[in-house]
Amino acid sequence: ETGVTQTPRHLVMGMTNKKSLKCEQHLGHNAMYWYKQSAKKPLELMFVYSLEERVENNSVPSRFSPECPNSSHLFLHLHTLQPEDSALYLCASSQLGRAYNEQFFGPGTRLTVL
Amino acid sequence: DQQVKQNSPSLSVQEGRISILNCDYTNSMFDYFLWYKKYPAEGPTFLISISSIKDKNEDGRFTVFLNKSAKHLSLHIVPSQPGDSAVYFCAAGAYNQGGKLIFGQGTELSVKP
Repeated sequence: ETGVTQTPRHLVMGMTNKKSLKCEQHLGHNAMYWYKQSAKKPLELMFVYSLEERVENNSVPSRFSPECPNSSHLFLHLHTLQPEDSALYLCASSQLGRAYNEQFFGPGTRLTVL
Repeated sequence: DQQVKQNSPSLSVQEGRISILNCDYTNSMFDYFLWYKKYPAEGPTFLISISSIKDKNEDGRFTVFLNKSAKHLSLHIVPSQPGDSAVYFCAAGAYNQGGKLIFGQGTELSVKP
């Protein structure tokens, strides 16, 4: 595997379900990110982990719970979501300290909440 | 308040002609800017970047221009190819903001043969 991988690619869940999204980066980066992309809207930054510490939490509802067990893996635990949470969830990684913080993205998980 | 804006949701260009994608920003403290390209069912891929101290950066068919006084940047693709059809996002970052990037809402480019 190379780059940034995400599983599952598609997820349909009910409002009472609990599920998790997984992200893995194979680039040796020291920062990882979760973004939400809704139709025709900018990518919304949800969480940033730098060296496995959460350094950003953009007022995300508590029904989204991130976990970063090591520098290569990032999870997003989902619990009692709402239909408006249906979106594309993107994971990214980068190497902080470089001139430009080029973030490398995974393919995303298309989430549908019924 | 949206700090990075792409006011054209879509652009259609003939193959071989120039594509110009525009991006405006409001925060003069941004230190660098990036362009990403996104195909359906894939994540965004990094295309080209520019420092706030430069006004132009070129990479093959792609050139990014920065006008700091106007808080405006543009991506030029020449010649445009059908494979360039995708959604293009501009993003901005500041060194004192760690890894945070602020993205525009994207412009969908369609290059017609």
